[in-house]
Amino acid sequence: DAKTTQPPSMDCAEGRAANLPCNHSTISGNEYVYWYRQIHSQGPQYIIHGLKNNETNEMASLIITEDRKSSTLILPHATLRDTAVYYCIVRVAAGTALIFGKGTTLSVSS
Amino acid sequence: DSGVTQTPKHLITATGQRVTLRCSPRSGDLSVYWYQQSLDQGLQFLIQYYNGEERAKGNILERFSAQQFPDLHSELNLSSLELGDSALYFCASSDRGGGYQETQYFGPGTRLLVL
Repeated sequence: DAKTTQPPSMDCAEGRAANLPCNHSTISGNEYVYWYRQIHSQGPQYIIHGLKNNETNEMASLIITEDRKSSTLILPHATLRDTAVYYCIVRVAAGTALIFGKGTTLSVSS
Repeated sequence: DSGVTQTPKHLITATGQRVTLRCSPRSGDLSVYWYQQSLDQGLQFLIQYYNGEERAKGNILERFSAQQFPDLHSELNLSSLELGDSALYFCASSDRGGGYQETQYFGPGTRLLVL
């Protein structure tokens, strides 16, 4: 599996953009980057995924560097409800399961 | 709401007992995955079913088993329960059997407490 490295925790002020980094230097050409989040003990929630181009949906934007060795998840206007653990996951070719690391705990405060 | 449902939400039982957790995937999804989340291990993949057939196995104990029925709902059976089996159990569903661009949608989970 392509390993990912994320900071253990980050803080963000409500209303500001939250930029969550992820390193995946061993990613292969066809492997997608996925982001999920888990609010408290709820089920992980899908946020966004991408291959090499930047992606945007109603929840967030995903910026992937040109060499694909890292990416950044951007929550444009963080709210208190965005406080969660954010997981960056690289999908592998042969496997089907999601491999969760420790993720980044994002704390949004007012 | 992901569209994946799990029952029960909470389960309290004793060591040595057997329990069954149920998962209904999103409408049209053929794949069901089971994951376990304990405090010290994080989220770990247990097993996957695709259209009624076992597709992949992860760190699933021999005391645990699962199946997927013709209506595509799935059950995870946990037997000879031990204190260490206390955890959150999530199921996820997708419309594919795997691959690079497969999105899994998770249910709300079942919290199991073994006393």
